Amino acid sequence: AQSVTQLGSHVSVSEGALVLLRCNYSSSVPPYLFWYVQYPNQGLQLLLKYTTGATLVKGINGFEAEFKKSETSFHLTKPSAHMSDAAEYFCAVRGLTGGGNKLTFGTGTQLKVEL
Amino acid sequence: GAGVSQSPSNKVTEKGKDVELRCDPISGHTALYWYRQRLGQGLEFLIYFQGNSAPDKSGLPSDRFSAERTGESVSTLTIQRTQQEDSAVYLCASSSGGTKGLTEAFFGQGTRLTVV
Repeated sequence: AQSVTQLGSHVSVSEGALVLLRCNYSSSVPPYLFWYVQYPNQGLQLLLKYTTGATLVKGINGFEAEFKKSETSFHLTKPSAHMSDAAEYFCAVRGLTGGGNKLTFGTGTQLKVEL
Repeated sequence: GAGVSQSPSNKVTEKGKDVELRCDPISGHTALYWYRQRLGQGLEFLIYFQGNSAPDKSGLPSDRFSAERTGESVSTLTIQRTQQEDSAVYLCASSSGGTKGLTEAFFGQGTRLTVV
């Protein structure tokens, strides 16, 4: 079985500060990992993804995430927060077993950006 | 279509009534997911369809919930005898599926269900 844990249901940062949203996963097979963002009153959209290859992946809006197998982590970062980054962020994992293409989400982290 | 389409966008129903929610996935996508998102909470997996394989129904919360998919196209999620705790946004997503290549899921805008 696979699972995702997002530490911190709410994170607050100042504009211009580093954003760090934590995600740890559990998967019995090499995972595919995703970060999705949900802006207020909008649907989920993909921020970035890790499949194979380079462990540091870059996404839209200046976000990036690093896959660390030894730590089973896929934390999301952005060097400098912007007010427009305020949203809910979801980490997700897909494990590729025989029928195991199910996409499992974490409970989400609400990011607040303050002046 | 260009994206995942869900209908209706909003549904208000009386407790005890049945409701049917529809999802039109992206053309050619073999995988289709339904999730539930209660207010202020994360995404709760409900059911997953992959091609002609038996669906993964492990997330359906009770036998009042069922879903069908016609081939690799439209899916309907049916909730019978709705209860107030069924109030949530129901999200549908589709992906190209398979085990090769990137298969991220694309989400619809959701159906907001309110049971009164």
